[in-house]
Amino acid sequence: QSALTQPRSVSGSPGQSVTISCTGTSSDVGGYNYVSWYQQHPGTAPKLMIYDVSKRPSGVPDRFSGSKSGNTASLTISGLQGEDEADYYCCSYAGSYTVLFGGGTKLTVL
Amino acid sequence: EVQLVESGGGLVQPGGSLRLSCAASGFTFSNYWMTWVRQAPGKGLEWVANIKQDGSEKYYVDSVKGRITISRDNAKNSLYLQMNSLRAEDTAVYYCARGVGVRAFDIWGQGTMVTVSS
Repeated sequence: QSALTQPRSVSGSPGQSVTISCTGTSSDVGGYNYVSWYQQHPGTAPKLMIYDVSKRPSGVPDRFSGSKSGNTASLTISGLQGEDEADYYCCSYAGSYTVLFGGGTKLTVL
Repeated sequence: EVQLVESGGGLVQPGGSLRLSCAASGFTFSNYWMTWVRQAPGKGLEWVANIKQDGSEKYYVDSVKGRITISRDNAKNSLYLQMNSLRAEDTAVYYCARGVGVRAFDIWGQGTMVTVSS
């Protein structure tokens, strides 16, 4: 069970859009529409931002959106704000009631 | 308020044991899959184990099988993680989380730190 692959870091200026990729295999990301994304600020617990590839929980701004193509899922954050600076983790169902997380991406708002 | 509060972390020697607890409030605990996720210092998230609503099914990441046991007490709204034969690589913050089925985690506790060191 290898972790999903994410870029180690991405950056963008306030107001811009950034996209974070998450690459897996046909046994996880590509095999199920069960990708979720988590935001984690330093020293705090993760927060669910997207689930089932593109669904937003109540209270998550619509600036956050998710998509998937083949074995790669993506999180797009539009209209970047300073508060978006955080670590982001993707997660995918991997069958047999198990899940895999990505290695995490540090988002810097310039 | 929907809340999860972990406890039981601490410093333990290699080969030792520790039992983590997670107290749930503000929702019907028995209706949800529950999960433990850990995060080693400066590292990413790692799913550890999950348990079905009635405790009848439990699943683990390969690296902890045979050493770590997840359990729950729905009457006490509590989730547990019994950790035996602990290794240095088990050092992490351990989070309990509520499942959206088994595919996502919508409520997280604040985490409890486990340090395995002599």
